[in-house]
Amino acid sequence: DGGITQSPKYLFRKEGQNVTLSCEQNLNHDAMYWYRQDPGQGLRLIYYSQIVNDFQKGDIAEGYSVSREKKESFPLTVTSAQKNPTAFYLCAAGQGATETQYFGPGTRLLVL
Amino acid sequence: GENVEQHPSTLSVQEGDSAVIKCTYSDSASNYFPWYKQELGKGPQLIIDIRSNVGEKKDQRIAVTLNKTAKHFSLHITETQPEDSAVYFCAAVKNSGGYQKVTFGIGTKLQVIP
Repeated sequence: DGGITQSPKYLFRKEGQNVTLSCEQNLNHDAMYWYRQDPGQGLRLIYYSQIVNDFQKGDIAEGYSVSREKKESFPLTVTSAQKNPTAFYLCAAGQGATETQYFGPGTRLLVL
Repeated sequence: GENVEQHPSTLSVQEGDSAVIKCTYSDSASNYFPWYKQELGKGPQLIIDIRSNVGEKKDQRIAVTLNKTAKHFSLHITETQPEDSAVYFCAAVKNSGGYQKVTFGIGTKLQVIP
């Protein structure tokens, strides 16, 4: 998976609970991305970060938050405001605007 | 914004036959077109890519063609094998303020029948 690790593999969320998905990369890439994957809808961008301490909303940021305190790490928090969080979450890393994005193995989030 | 259409959504072929997946895009500013293979429960893996200054690229049994004028690109897999069974995604990428704006197709589920 190109030096990107995601944990946990499966995550269960109770109603009203915030949960955090981990993403770590050892590719030394500046940019990192979070995508959500639902059946039949491809991948949709939640948040992205081009450099440390900076991040931008993607197409479906509502109900999610991120931080980028280190180059290697880009955790995603699914807040209680996200009413339909069940999905497969993918983290990716890339270098600049012209390089390939490499994906992690994903985290499947399920609601109890 | 960019729109990427991918078809077919499902494709079944006999082992040894060829498989072709087609994508069209709408934004002429897109200049990079990767293809990803995703196996069940795993993250997408890049299998081949093509940039807008190239019309065709081949890597062993996999090839990609790009027609910039018509705004479409295709993935060709020859001599298919059961391990080729997976979901394949096309994507169109453009530079958007210094970061990659990637628009994905909805995916094609390829089944190779032994």
